[in-house]
Amino acid sequence: DMKVTQMPRYLIKRMGENVLLECGQDMSHETMYWYRQDPGLGLQLIYISYDVDSNSEGDIPKGYRVSRKKREHFSLILDSAKTNQTSVYFCASSLWGAGGAEQFFGPGTRLTVL
Amino acid sequence: QQQVRQSPQSLTVWEGETAILNCSYEDSTFNYFPWYQQFPGEGPALLISIRSVSDKKEDGRFTIFFNKREKKLSLHITDSQPGDSATYFCAARMSNYNVLYFGSGTKLTVEP
Repeated sequence: DMKVTQMPRYLIKRMGENVLLECGQDMSHETMYWYRQDPGLGLQLIYISYDVDSNSEGDIPKGYRVSRKKREHFSLILDSAKTNQTSVYFCASSLWGAGGAEQFFGPGTRLTVL
Repeated sequence: QQQVRQSPQSLTVWEGETAILNCSYEDSTFNYFPWYQQFPGEGPALLISIRSVSDKKEDGRFTIFFNKREKKLSLHITDSQPGDSATYFCAARMSNYNVLYFGSGTKLTVEP
């Protein structure tokens, strides 16, 4: 069953708290992604991971870091969350290179930072 | 500079009509253009895609028209159904490069 899972689905944090968003996939995809989605802005790439411990910054990496210690698992960490990080976060996965044309998305995590 | 632009931002059509969603891009090295469909509370899912060697791609009621010279493409949804109500994202990428550049989306509402 091809699936990307995200935990938690909803999260409320106070400004300055640390946030951990988790993502898993069961397709053995090499490449995984973290996006944030804000109204009118579409999907913005935060980080891309090409495999275990092989991560690259996307368009908006500031304020975020990631961890990938297993191929099937990719975490997004916000150290000392800010109110402007309130958003919906999506994780995705794909094969690498030309075979990775399709990205499979998780259901998203709605994060509110008060 | 936004690499992929979409219009209109929102679109309402009646059931049975054809909805036309527009997309344009900046980088002439883009050669793969997927359209993603997103329902409220869900992640985007691939709907249909086209490569730059083609000028048209059909899949049931969904058709992409691609104009490489003008760097424009459009998604036509014929015989629109209320179940097609969703946000549609146009995206683009270069060959062998995993990064997708997404447009800001078109929210489609199909009225019964």
